[in-house]
Amino acid sequence: QSALTQPASVSGSPGQSITISCTGTSSDVGGYNYVFWYQQHPGKAPKLMIYDVNNRPSGVSNRFSGSKSANTASLTISGLQAEDEADYYCSSYTSSNSHVFGGGTKLTVL
Amino acid sequence: QVQLVQSGSELKKPGASVRVSCKASGFTLTSYAMNWVRQAPGQGLEWMGWINTNTGNPTYAQGFTGRFVFSLDTSVSTAYLQISSLEAEDTAVYFCTRAAYGSHWFDYWGQGTLVTVSS
Repeated sequence: QSALTQPASVSGSPGQSITISCTGTSSDVGGYNYVFWYQQHPGKAPKLMIYDVNNRPSGVSNRFSGSKSANTASLTISGLQAEDEADYYCSSYTSSNSHVFGGGTKLTVL
Repeated sequence: QVQLVQSGSELKKPGASVRVSCKASGFTLTSYAMNWVRQAPGQGLEWMGWINTNTGNPTYAQGFTGRFVFSLDTSVSTAYLQISSLEAEDTAVYFCTRAAYGSHWFDYWGQGTLVTVSS
C-alpha cells in the first residue's frame, strides 16, 4: 500500500486560511468516507483532528474542517494561529482492511 | 480519564529483541482494537497493524511480518509489541493507539516509545 500524497510544506500568516491536500486512490481515499487528519507537534503523539472526512472530535476547534472530492481529501484551517504550527498527516482506511498515512505536511505560521 | 501509557526508551544492540508495553486505563480494553504505528526519525507515520483485544488475533501490515509480534495481557489491560532480530532500521518511535470497533479512527495515543538500535 503506497503512502497517500501530501505537500511537504505549507505556510500562512496568522488569521489566514490554508488547505492541505491528500491524494490517494479509489482503493483508499476515493473508495471510503474513512479519511482522517492528525496533528503532531514536535516530540508529541499525534492528535485526531478530523474523522470520517469532515467530522471534528469533541474539543477540536471549528477552525478545522475536512472535505473530499474523488481521490483527494483536504484539510482546511481557517483563522490561522501560532499554535497551529505542526505536522499534519492524513490517513485512510483501505480496501485491504488496512490503514495508510500520508507523508505528512509541515505547517509554518509566518 | 482515558490513558495509554507506554514503557520507556530502549537502547538495544543489533540482533537483540525488545518489548514495548502499552497500559490502558480509563476505558475497557476489550471495547477497542489496539493499533501500532511507527515513526522513524524525521519521518512520517507508518501503520504497523493491530490486535483484536477480544480474541488476541493480530493483523500485521506489509513490511511488519516475521520479526514483529503483537500480544495482550487483558488481566493488566496492557498491549505489547515485541521486535526480534533488531536492525538499525528499526530505530524509531513506536506508538500504540486505539480505535473503537466499528470505527477506523485513532482517538487516543500513547506517548510513544523510542527504540534505538545501535552497536
